[in-house]
Amino acid sequence: NAGVMQNPRHLVRRRGQEARLRCSPMKGHSHVYWYRQLPEEGLKFMVYLQKENIIDESGMPKERFSAEFPKEGPSILRIQQVVRGDSAAYFCASSPVGTGNEQFFGPGTRLTVL
Amino acid sequence: ILNVEQSPQSLHVQEGDSTNFTCSFPSSNFYALHWYRWETAKSPEALFVMTLNGDEKKKGRISATLNTKEGYSYLYIKGSQPEDSATYLCALRSGGSYIPTFGRGTSLIVHP
Repeated sequence: NAGVMQNPRHLVRRRGQEARLRCSPMKGHSHVYWYRQLPEEGLKFMVYLQKENIIDESGMPKERFSAEFPKEGPSILRIQQVVRGDSAAYFCASSPVGTGNEQFFGPGTRLTVL
Repeated sequence: ILNVEQSPQSLHVQEGDSTNFTCSFPSSNFYALHWYRWETAKSPEALFVMTLNGDEKKKGRISATLNTKEGYSYLYIKGSQPEDSATYLCALRSGGSYIPTFGRGTSLIVHP
């Protein structure tokens, strides 16, 4: 049973470009969470999704950021018109249906904005 | 915004030493506390989920206790080994929420 997969592992973008980060949850998991780790800070919650639904996006900036978790395929975190302050490690975690308990984390995507 | 504090921020110990660190959190509306172990260049790995006041969990040389009335949890490592070197994170869930609030972690370095 493969763990949570994230790709790419490293992503470099210039200011103004778009960044797309992908997360494939563990098999059987339909809850996905995205977190951001800024330099010298802890993990900050961004958004919680179930298949085809955004459940809680209270941690996500209102502009330029969006997330989806389609019926088929991975969850995608999209950052439009990236700025230097978006440089961070973005982690995805998944959990099984109905428990909301233990979260299993992916290896993260490190985004660098030049 | 929940305030989850971890102390100390970092800790250096010698191989064989036992050590412990603290996670403090608001005691009201407690739902669950998670401990994670996060090695450099890897992803956080779940250690314990604690839900009841007085809970004690153990996994090998690592154990944790929980006091929800006073709002703290301790993580203990007995006989530290270099491979225990990692950042240990705690995360609080309140009010039945699925969304955890993470502390900044305690960075443990075990010297051979």
